[in-house]
Amino acid sequence: DIQMTQSPSSLSASVGDRVTITCRASQDISSYLAWYHQKPGKVPELLMYAVSALQSGVPSRFSGSGSGTDFTLTISSLQPEDVGNYYCQSYYSAPITFGQGTRLEIK
Amino acid sequence: QVQLQESGPGLVKPSETLSLPCAVSGYSITNGYYWGWIRQPPGKGLEWIGSIYHGGSTYYNPSLKSRVTISLDSSKNQFSLKLSSVTAADTAVYYCARHWGNLVTTALRYWGQGTLVTVSS
Repeated sequence: DIQMTQSPSSLSASVGDRVTITCRASQDISSYLAWYHQKPGKVPELLMYAVSALQSGVPSRFSGSGSGTDFTLTISSLQPEDVGNYYCQSYYSAPITFGQGTRLEIK
Repeated sequence: QVQLQESGPGLVKPSETLSLPCAVSGYSITNGYYWGWIRQPPGKGLEWIGSIYHGGSTYYNPSLKSRVTISLDSSKNQFSLKLSSVTAADTAVYYCARHWGNLVTTALRYWGQGTLVTVSS
């Protein structure tokens, strides 16, 4: 199975800050990488797929980059509604695997 | 707009079988796409359980494969999860979801609201 490791596990940032979350795959997954945002008490929502393709309706302050084994999710200017947990996901092969999550809070 | 809704008992006894249907509206499951199940133990991360294609092809997480069955019911436009021999470790919110495409190797585009299943005597 492909292991996905996210860092940091949690972070706290101020509104307007630039925030970066990283995700590392245990083997080359090409561009088969998605990111999900789970607001507190809510359902996970697809943010982007294929590393950097934004899902419809996702604000442009979100961006993704990387390929192979190392990936990043960037929020260019943190907003209060961005709090919650972020998960990366490899869908390169079955079993589909998720990172352990990164908890994002507002200072 | 595709909508998914899980239902089922919130409490299951240890060693019994957990059964959850997922009703789909806004799209016929026989028209394509993979349909999957994901779970999230309280306070923890996401775990993919398995997925099924409208033609019946299934993929399961090897960690659960011996206990999992996912099936389709086209007459009800729903798909279902069965997880046998449950223990407290199976306590989780269970989500059903639709994949982005006609391959299991695609992201999960639409999610149900999730249903909490507690395993306890």
